[in-house]
Amino acid sequence: DGGITQSPKYLFRKEGQNVTLSCEQNLNHDAMYWYRQDPGQGLRLIYYSQIVNDFQKGDIAEGYSVSREKKESFPLTVTSAQKNPTAFYLCASTSRKGPQHFGDGTRLSIL
Amino acid sequence: GENVEQHPSTLSVQEGDSAVIKCTYSDSASNYFPWYKQELGKRPQLIIDIRSNVGEKKDQRIAVTLNKTAKHFSLHITETQPEDSAVYFCAASIKEGTGNQFYFGTGTSLTVIP
Repeated sequence: DGGITQSPKYLFRKEGQNVTLSCEQNLNHDAMYWYRQDPGQGLRLIYYSQIVNDFQKGDIAEGYSVSREKKESFPLTVTSAQKNPTAFYLCASTSRKGPQHFGDGTRLSIL
Repeated sequence: GENVEQHPSTLSVQEGDSAVIKCTYSDSASNYFPWYKQELGKRPQLIIDIRSNVGEKKDQRIAVTLNKTAKHFSLHITETQPEDSAVYFCAASIKEGTGNQFYFGTGTSLTVIP
């Protein structure tokens, strides 16, 4: 879906380092979400935001942080407290009654 | 919170046969049920969805049925083709706060054998 852009496509993290994953949408959606997907697994919710300057923890928020300063942007920071960050990270957005639209994902690995 | 279970986790069918994937949900307040197809290393893409006021919806070879009383919904793919091979996820959506929350099944890996 060209309306949601995630960057970078691949990211490598050194031990003790924080890294930030970008997610931008031009769909004018109010709600945005971050999911983590491990190999052969489903989607697990990290954080979500239903409105600017507000966000809530999902099922696996520990070791992650987010901000929502603009409607279009919902960056995710993977902190050094997240001891097992290797995964495929998906950002999504939705309007009030529609389905979720996903970005192309960021694959994060540990160096 | 809502709990979505999906079965089977893997499914192999011969090309031309039908494939059926089933999901159950726990919260009767869920009112929107999308299905996503995810090819390896790519984003999940919406293939069909259904709302709680409808019992069945069809789009060419793909159909979804919903039984609100039993709290289950199913994806049906007819005349399967090799390009249908992918992981399929069901989801249930429920209004929380000012927006909607989505709860996903654990996925079904479908292989269509030529």
